[in-house]
Amino acid sequence: DVKVTQSSRYLVKRTGEKVFLECVQDMDHENMFWYRQDPGLGLRLIYFSYDVKMKEKGDIPEGYSVSREKKERFSLILESASTNQTSMYLCASSQTGTGYLYRGYTFGSGTRLTVV
Amino acid sequence: AQSVTQLDSHVSVSEGTPVLLRCNYSSSYSPSLFWYVQHPNKGLQLLLKYTSAATLVKGINGFEAEFKKSETSFHLTKPSAHMSDAAEYFCVVTDQRYSGGYQKVTFGTGTKLQVIP
Repeated sequence: DVKVTQSSRYLVKRTGEKVFLECVQDMDHENMFWYRQDPGLGLRLIYFSYDVKMKEKGDIPEGYSVSREKKERFSLILESASTNQTSMYLCASSQTGTGYLYRGYTFGSGTRLTVV
Repeated sequence: AQSVTQLDSHVSVSEGTPVLLRCNYSSSYSPSLFWYVQHPNKGLQLLLKYTSAATLVKGINGFEAEFKKSETSFHLTKPSAHMSDAAEYFCVVTDQRYSGGYQKVTFGTGTKLQVIP
């Protein structure tokens, strides 16, 4: 069964810590994404990558960075965690394609991060 | 530009009654549309997708949606709600244009479905 795996389901970190969220996909997808999900705000795109070592800012990149050294792995880094980064973080991947070939996203199960 | 509006933030139905979750979209190009479901503390799972083939799309767990271009709608329906359908549902649109190598995808803000026994 193909999937996107996020390394942690729940994380509790202290303010100021450097936090790494890891995401691995086994579908050979070109594109990978990091979203955060907050009540009433829906999903907001933080960063995405469409190729190894490539990254693009999404809608809310401030306070975050990413790394994609291998095609299957996309890491989200909180350089100095703050309480307003407490959220559910969702990783997704997709294959490039158009029309019926476009199959949308496959999501991981999410990481619920609490910064105290 | 593309956008998607989910018209109800919460919907409550009784078990065994029909479900209707409403979604309207805006797109300058021929869009692809999706519905995802998210159960508590889980990731999003694809329910169904429309990608310019048949306008009535059948998905998993008995859900279906109809693409209506004239109404710019893609409402999600199910004839009979089950307790396990209680979840949050997201409507998603993409016009599949590339910008910086990326097909921009826009998520709705979600509709929480409550199923009453």
